[in-house]
Amino acid sequence: GENVEQHPSTLSVQEGDSAVIKCTYSDSASNYFPWYKQELGKRPQLIIDIRSNVGEKKDQRIAVTLNKTAKHFSLHITETQPEDSAVYFCAARFAGGTSYGKLTFGQGTILTVHP
Amino acid sequence: AAGVIQSPRHLIKEKRETATLKCYPIPRHDTVYWYQQGPGQDPQFLISFYEKMQSDKGSIPDRFSAQQFSDYHSELNMSSLELGDSALYFCASSPNKETQYFGPGTRLLVL
Repeated sequence: GENVEQHPSTLSVQEGDSAVIKCTYSDSASNYFPWYKQELGKRPQLIIDIRSNVGEKKDQRIAVTLNKTAKHFSLHITETQPEDSAVYFCAARFAGGTSYGKLTFGQGTILTVHP
Repeated sequence: AAGVIQSPRHLIKEKRETATLKCYPIPRHDTVYWYQQGPGQDPQFLISFYEKMQSDKGSIPDRFSAQQFSDYHSELNMSSLELGDSALYFCASSPNKETQYFGPGTRLLVL
């Protein structure tokens, strides 16, 4: 089955710095890669996603890059703010067989932005 | 905009009891997914439904069952509850079997 590895598990940055979180996936049939932000006890919130036919996508301070050959994708947050502090999950959607889009998540990254 | 609704938000049960969790997807979303998230863990896929039919099955125990009704709401039934079933249970819905929007979750505590 699909496996997603996420690094680092914790990331601490100063306000205004950039943060990068990386994920690798195992199944080349995966074709959709969302990123979720989750605050303690709250729901995962979709912040950005990318499809396998696109190499990069940007939304204000957030960007995601995808390298299909290497099977890895990354989240980039620029000009970090304390409110960016949360757990970030990457995920991959397996598109093969009779799959209806179930997501496999990475292990999560606890991002802390210090004022 | 309407969001995914889950009920109840909190549930406390004893071991060996049963629990029923409900999920109301965003209107016109035809696919519902259930995930279990333990403390400090990533969400784990349990089961999904597309147009009221079970579409995918993940690491769902045999003690659990689920269905989707004609109005597209879904229920997750959990029997013979164990301490290890204590977790956050999320429902997500999708209009295209791709983008998934999560509900607020049900926090289940088994004593």
